[in-house]
Amino acid sequence: GIQVEQSPPDLILQEGANSTLRCNFSDSVNNLQWFHQNPWGQLINLFYIPSGTKQNGRLSATTVATERYSLLYISSSQTTDSGVYFCAVYLGYGNKLVFGAGTILRVKS
Amino acid sequence: DTEVTQTPKHLVMGMTNKKSLKCEQHMGHRAMYWYKQKAKKPPELMFVYSYEKLSINESVPSRFSPECPNSSLLNLHLHALQPEDSALYLCASSQDSRGNYGYTFGSGTRLTVV
Repeated sequence: GIQVEQSPPDLILQEGANSTLRCNFSDSVNNLQWFHQNPWGQLINLFYIPSGTKQNGRLSATTVATERYSLLYISSSQTTDSGVYFCAVYLGYGNKLVFGAGTILRVKS
Repeated sequence: DTEVTQTPKHLVMGMTNKKSLKCEQHMGHRAMYWYKQKAKKPPELMFVYSYEKLSINESVPSRFSPECPNSSLLNLHLHALQPEDSALYLCASSQDSRGNYGYTFGSGTRLTVV
């Protein structure tokens, strides 16, 4: 089956720092989403980004579908950015959303 | 309304109990999903409903029984669960079963089986 790999697995930042999270996938995918899971378990949709670049405030994402990767940029990090960031890809066959293992982000004040 | 609402938020049940998890969305989405998430792991798909019909069952044990009474509601009936079934259960919806426009997740039900 498709492999979805996220890096780094863990990241500790000082408040105000910038970071880049990466998602590699092993096969062609129809769609891709980035989620943030907060400490209470809520999965918050950050970006629906099958291709191209999108920005939302301090966050932006880029997906290069032909090279099978996506990047999530977090600028001027805040403590509320802490949590787990998941990349998830939608497989046309099987009709399912498959998650990577996630990146655990801790932002210290 | 752009939310998926799940109830209850927390549930503790014994191994002989019967309980149900509920999920509701009013975004007009026609596909709904149940995911299970163990601690420090990503969510794993359990069931997919498309246009109120079960389209995918990821080999989930029969002690989990999904139900889709209408296009806005999704239930997960639980019976004779085991302690290893303790997890966060997440409901999600999408506009169609092809995942176009993305998935929206609820805040989950944290289940503990004792």
